[in-house]
Amino acid sequence: KNEVEQSPQNLTAQEGEFITINCSYSVGISALHWLQQHPGGGIVSLFMLSSGKKKHGRLIATINIQEKHSSLHITASHPRDSAVYICAVNRAGNQFYFGTGTSLTVIP
Amino acid sequence: DTEVTQTPKHLVMGMTNKKSLKCEQHMGHRAMYWYKQKAKKPPELMFVYSYEKLSINESVPSRFSPECPNSSLLNLHLHALQPEDSALYLCASSQDFSGSRELFFGEGSRLTVL
Repeated sequence: KNEVEQSPQNLTAQEGEFITINCSYSVGISALHWLQQHPGGGIVSLFMLSSGKKKHGRLIATINIQEKHSSLHITASHPRDSAVYICAVNRAGNQFYFGTGTSLTVIP
Repeated sequence: DTEVTQTPKHLVMGMTNKKSLKCEQHMGHRAMYWYKQKAKKPPELMFVYSYEKLSINESVPSRFSPECPNSSLLNLHLHALQPEDSALYLCASSQDFSGSRELFFGEGSRLTVL
């Protein structure tokens, strides 16, 4: 069983659509991370959350600690948002656990 | 400077070659990581260095040999690799190896073993 589960695995959207990617985890955590990986490229950290909500441009991340659930929202999606989005959690003094990623394609 | 720099970006090697991957960061981070990532899979942890000492080795075969010469540099020495070792090798760093910490990743070194 994976400690971190993401859904959906694959997502195709039209440009301009509102997108939601979900992440559920089963372990106690000190923080949850949303990461972005473009094809063949490195990984960029988008958000680190331990409670509540964070916003950066068109991206919004929320976390519900009681329900062990987080969502990443993209408003007014654009083809340049096409990437793999990875949810990861870290536990105090321990390593990261990664979800299997959500592959997003935004069509013009 | 919030960059983690990895070289080379691409590497092709034979099974008898010896090569090295290099990683550098100048953020003053004291934890550095090597991850291996196969296509369409999440990164898998290989090694963690904390304050220049090897803290975690995830049962990685000895044909992979990490080295941390100083707090800014991390190397991965490769010898007698197998074709199944072909993957994207990602280096990452964080402020330290405790509590909530943001991971900064490099662009990766794409390794092909022939």
